[in-house]
Amino acid sequence: TAGITQAPTSQILAAGRSMTLRCTQDMRHNAMYWYRQDLGLGLRLIHYSNTAGTTGKGEVPDGYSVSRANTDDFPLTLASAVPSQTSVYFCASSDSAYTEAFFGQGTRLTVV
Amino acid sequence: RKEVEQDPGPFNVPEGATVAFNCTYSNSASQSFFWYRQDCRKEPKLLMSVYSSGNEDGRFTAQLNRASQYISLLIRDSKLSDSATYLCVVTYNNAGNMLTFGGGTRLMVKP
Repeated sequence: TAGITQAPTSQILAAGRSMTLRCTQDMRHNAMYWYRQDLGLGLRLIHYSNTAGTTGKGEVPDGYSVSRANTDDFPLTLASAVPSQTSVYFCASSDSAYTEAFFGQGTRLTVV
Repeated sequence: RKEVEQDPGPFNVPEGATVAFNCTYSNSASQSFFWYRQDCRKEPKLLMSVYSSGNEDGRFTAQLNRASQYISLLIRDSKLSDSATYLCVVTYNNAGNMLTFGGGTRLMVKP
């Protein structure tokens, strides 16, 4: 079972360019999340989706957008990347508030 | 004040020591509680769920105190391989974000 898969694993992106980080899960989980983690800091929630067709803003949503067209996919888009968006991005999914969350392996993004 | 707070550490302990971490949460409507482990530059992974009656998994014991709104993790007979960051996670059954992470506590076990 693949679980939850992120792509790409790492990327170097020129400032001002756009990019979409992909996240796919095969567990049919209702909720999905995007976090960023900067060196030495904790996870910060960017956006979340409790079910297909709905999304919500997290702690640090500015500069990012998401969509949830179906249950399995939850892409994160940077419309115009800036160096402060250099980070490790983790996608996660969970079935409900009563069950554990599973994480993808992360995407290491460097904006130069 | 953050919704879920942890002492960031680091906790530096010798092999074989017993170490305990606490995590406090501010929302009394919290539903479920978990401890996750994160190794350097890797994704967080579930260590154990935390039940109201407390639960044990080998050298690890988790406790929940709803009245005081904290959860704890006790690690006995620490191993070098226990070195990692331990994340406290609290969930809510509501229409908004259901999953809230603490900032993590770093543990370093030394020979």
